[in-house]
Amino acid sequence: DAGVIQSPRHEVTEMGQEVTLRCKPISGHDYLFWYRQTMMRGLELLIYFNNNVPIDDSGMPEDRFSAKMPNASFSTLKIQPSEPRDSAVYFCASSLSHYEQYFGPGTRLTVT
Amino acid sequence: GENVEQHPSTLSVQEGDSAVIKCTYSDSASNYFPWYKQELGKRPQLIIDIRSNVGEKKDQRIAVTLNKTAKHFSLHITETQPEDSAVYFCAASMGNDMRFGAGTRLTVKP
Repeated sequence: DAGVIQSPRHEVTEMGQEVTLRCKPISGHDYLFWYRQTMMRGLELLIYFNNNVPIDDSGMPEDRFSAKMPNASFSTLKIQPSEPRDSAVYFCASSLSHYEQYFGPGTRLTVT
Repeated sequence: GENVEQHPSTLSVQEGDSAVIKCTYSDSASNYFPWYKQELGKRPQLIIDIRSNVGEKKDQRIAVTLNKTAKHFSLHITETQPEDSAVYFCAASMGNDMRFGAGTRLTVKP
């Protein structure tokens, strides 16, 4: 298995633009998690899905952030409009149960 | 919600020495405690985990201990090697969302 796949690996955009991050979980995994990592706040859980259904989005910072999982093999995290403080590394992770989470390589987002 | 504290924030050891990283958690309902290793610019990788029905788990040079009464757990790395240098994160989960500690930057000096 190729593991969790994320795209793009790097994204540089200007403030106010829409940003879409993509994730393909490990085949057969039924949980998918989106995390944000910054020096100041560490690793933060934004939202997670079980069987494509959002279970807990309490970590989503504000309405500018939205996430979808239209099928078992694809999820998106969208920021609209983006702001400089959204600059971070965004990780997607998946797991078969709720326990052993496997992370993707991350997307490094820079908003100027 | 769950709150995980991790200490120390940085740790420097000589090659061959042992390293110990400690974490405490707040929610007694947490029952799963993984440890992740993150090298610079890379993804966090699961290196070992323990569930609440076990007090200790070992995998080669790495071991984790759990004290449910005191709500703390620790990572022990023996015979450290330069390639052990990384940031280590502990986490706690009760079967829903996982909360991570702030991380420990471990440096192993050759």
